[in-house]
Amino acid sequence: NAGVTQTPKFQVLKTGQSMTLQCAQDMNHEYMSWYRQDPGMGLRLIHYSVGAGITDQGEVPNGYNVSRSTTEDFPLRLLSAAPSQTSVYFCASSYVGQGNTGELFFGEGSRLTVL
Amino acid sequence: GNSVTQMEGPVTLSEEAFLTINCTYTATGYPSLFWYVQYPGEGLQLLLKATKADDKGSNKGFEATYRKETTSFHLEKGSVQVSDSAVYFCALARYSTLTFGKGTMLLVSP
Repeated sequence: NAGVTQTPKFQVLKTGQSMTLQCAQDMNHEYMSWYRQDPGMGLRLIHYSVGAGITDQGEVPNGYNVSRSTTEDFPLRLLSAAPSQTSVYFCASSYVGQGNTGELFFGEGSRLTVL
Repeated sequence: GNSVTQMEGPVTLSEEAFLTINCTYTATGYPSLFWYVQYPGEGLQLLLKATKADDKGSNKGFEATYRKETTSFHLEKGSVQVSDSAVYFCALARYSTLTFGKGTMLLVSP
């Protein structure tokens, strides 16, 4: 009954450090995505993937990299963290195909602070 | 492009009051519409959805009707409870990409 699992839940970085936020889902969903949530800004799409080997940019992709080597995993990499990347990050997945209505299943979030 | 506009909060109500949170959208084609809820310290959960015009989504006493003529999807509940205190997000989906509104915080006092 895991659904979408994100790790770590909390992380503090110094400016310039790199790190990877992990996301895994066990629902065999083709579509996976990363959002960031900032006060007064709602959720903004960073990157998404419609299947293994396929990724695309969302609204705010700068400073982030993704890859999708398996259906289950969709890690988000920060190559050189900046204070502007302090945020709560959510991974979400969904089924793609006939009858898909776009409903997303969210992880519990990863709170990142960059000092 | 696609966009969602929802009323700014916080919305402060007493228990058993009537709730309306307005949501309007701009989109090409025929999107699906959603309300998600986020309780403190948690991720987003789907509250209700509607996939075509005039559909009414409902769950846990909340309702919203997909109005294509007014491009709206307002959230309503007849009698709110303290446990309904959360942030509510309106969203639209075209294919698998969701566009969210900025969220409306609801605070319900006893």
